[in-house]
Amino acid sequence: DTGVSQNPRHKITKRGQNVTFRCDPISEHNRLYWYRQTLGQGPEFLTYFQNEAQLEKSRLLSDRFSAERPKGSFSTLEIQRTEQGDSAMYLCASSRFDGEQFFGPGTRLTVL
Amino acid sequence: GQQVMQIPQYQHVQEGEDFTTYCNSSTTLSNIQWYKQRPGGHPVFLIQLVKSGEVKKQKRLTFQFGEAKKNSSLHITATQTTDVGTYFCAGPHSGGSNYKLTFGKGTLLTVNP
Repeated sequence: DTGVSQNPRHKITKRGQNVTFRCDPISEHNRLYWYRQTLGQGPEFLTYFQNEAQLEKSRLLSDRFSAERPKGSFSTLEIQRTEQGDSAMYLCASSRFDGEQFFGPGTRLTVL
Repeated sequence: GQQVMQIPQYQHVQEGEDFTTYCNSSTTLSNIQWYKQRPGGHPVFLIQLVKSGEVKKQKRLTFQFGEAKKNSSLHITATQTTDVGTYFCAGPHSGGSNYKLTFGKGTLLTVNP
């Protein structure tokens, strides 16, 4: 399968715990994006990388959120001190420069 | 900030009926993209429109981009049960690059067989 993959697919955690999600983009794609989607809403942009450089972060991304893309390959999104409001689907997408974005299956986070 | 609005929020049709969803942006867009998300699935890219007044067809789907490049529509002729899902439009944030997309809330289409 050469699509975008995300792990884990589901994560249940207690409030205050830290969680980390991983995204493996399509190999030849140099851009990688993170979105958050809640029920009944469209995906909301969080941040994006071009190769290993994180070029923009949304105001939605509080200081509890951090994303990395070492070596311009896979990416991780970490949420520290999770809150119930962080419960959502976290989607990763990748693209070639400004091309169409290919989304992964997402990681569903539930914060109890 | 930029807003992208879609109507209707929900649409239920009988199989064989037509369906249309409308998308309006608060700002002029360099392009508009449409995605489909099946229930329990992830968004899948359908098409990108770039030119003012552009019309593109994909089998039973017809996409239009308004003359002012602030609105768009997706029309499905003779819906089938496989068309079920949420249809999102998305426009790039200011600057024209596709890297930061603003999505509408989507239109959920259900089809009664």
